[in-house]
Amino acid sequence: DQQVKQNSPSLSVQEGRISILNCDYTNSMFDYFLWYKKYPAEGPTFLISISSIKDKNEDGRFTVFLNKSAKHLSLHIVPSQPGDSAVYFCAASARESNYQLIWGAGTKLIIKP
Amino acid sequence: EAQVTQNPRYLITVTGKKLTVTCSQNMNHEYMSWYRQDPGLGLRQIYYSMNVEVTDKGDVPEGYKVSRKEKRNFPLILESPSPNQTSLYFCASRKGRRDSPLHFGNGTRLTVT
Repeated sequence: DQQVKQNSPSLSVQEGRISILNCDYTNSMFDYFLWYKKYPAEGPTFLISISSIKDKNEDGRFTVFLNKSAKHLSLHIVPSQPGDSAVYFCAASARESNYQLIWGAGTKLIIKP
Repeated sequence: EAQVTQNPRYLITVTGKKLTVTCSQNMNHEYMSWYRQDPGLGLRQIYYSMNVEVTDKGDVPEGYKVSRKEKRNFPLILESPSPNQTSLYFCASRKGRRDSPLHFGNGTRLTVT
């Protein structure tokens, strides 16, 4: 039973447009959420995070939105650039699981020139 | 350079032959963790360590052992590997705070025949 779901295995977006990656979760106890980016043959790297006390966090071209009532978060990348082509993982943690991260399956983002 | 180093990057072995994947970090991080990545399943935690001599099971610990005798090293041991342990393995570390980002190694691709 996956507690964190990324239902789109892949997403293709035109360069310069907005990329929106989605993540749904089932455990209402999750209170901290993160996005990681992964290039082939490398480990994931941290991108952005959000605490459940907020509904939005912004860092340059990256914005994460959290909708607690819908148990949904999304990552917006504006504008999308070729270097954004990667696999994006969302992850969540809760005190009840000793703050260990539960990961989604990932979404492969392809930015088309 | 701050980094998490895993060795080897690639490993092919046979069922039952004990192996160790090493992980070392040079950031003086308290927390270290091992994950496996399988298609469609994202990252699943095997074991984690909050500090020296403190280790705990993650979601998929069966068939694995770890030790944390020193702060910088966190080896993953497969006493009797089986084909279902064929996977991509990542070691990660972070500071003690739960909102500190994880730093990942570049992965070890293990094939057990």
